[in-house]
Amino acid sequence: LAKTTQPISMDSYEGQEVNITCSHNNIATNDYITWYQQFPSQGPRFIIQGYKTKVTNEVASLFIPADRKSSTLSLPRVSLSDTAVYYCLVGDYSGGYQKVTFGTGTKLQVIP
Amino acid sequence: GAVVSQHPSRVICKSGTSVKIECRSLDFQATTMFWYRQFPKQSLMLMATSNEGSKATYEQGVEKDKFLINHASLTLSTLTVTSAHPEDSSFYICSARRGQEISGNTIYFGEGSWLTVV
Repeated sequence: LAKTTQPISMDSYEGQEVNITCSHNNIATNDYITWYQQFPSQGPRFIIQGYKTKVTNEVASLFIPADRKSSTLSLPRVSLSDTAVYYCLVGDYSGGYQKVTFGTGTKLQVIP
Repeated sequence: GAVVSQHPSRVICKSGTSVKIECRSLDFQATTMFWYRQFPKQSLMLMATSNEGSKATYEQGVEKDKFLINHASLTLSTLTVTSAHPEDSSFYICSARRGQEISGNTIYFGEGSWLTVV
């Protein structure tokens, strides 16, 4: 499984765009990149998933360079409710038996 | 998105007793489910991977006789903490992967279950 490295924590003011980068140097050809958000005492919530280039949905964008050794989650105009821990996961789940392991995550604190 | 439900959300049990936590995929069939535990301010730690109809695969250091996992159907997996002790108190989270016939390779998580052993 590809190991991921993220900043431990980040602070941002309300209304700003936040970019969280994840390094995954040994990503495999079949691996997808998935980001989750977790609030205290809740299970992680799926945010976005991508394989290459750029993916955008209603809550975030995911930028993946050509070499796929890193990815950047972009949250537009964050609010206080975006304060949470964000996890980057890399893996291929299609085989049916792949494990899903978490790194340390990035604790985002949004400041008023 | 897909829904995974855990029950109970909170449970308190006496030391030495057993407690069961259920994990259900409500709108899809889950060929694989995962169980985690999470201590305060720490990341999720994978305990075991559960495949429908077969024995669970436990991570190193996780006692399979203490944490019994059953994945009897494509929508239900259970974790039973046997002879619970205070050090087993933790937040337990399950996740489920959609069957291979659906693309996206996405894992969905339950809401988590707080276990307190007194």
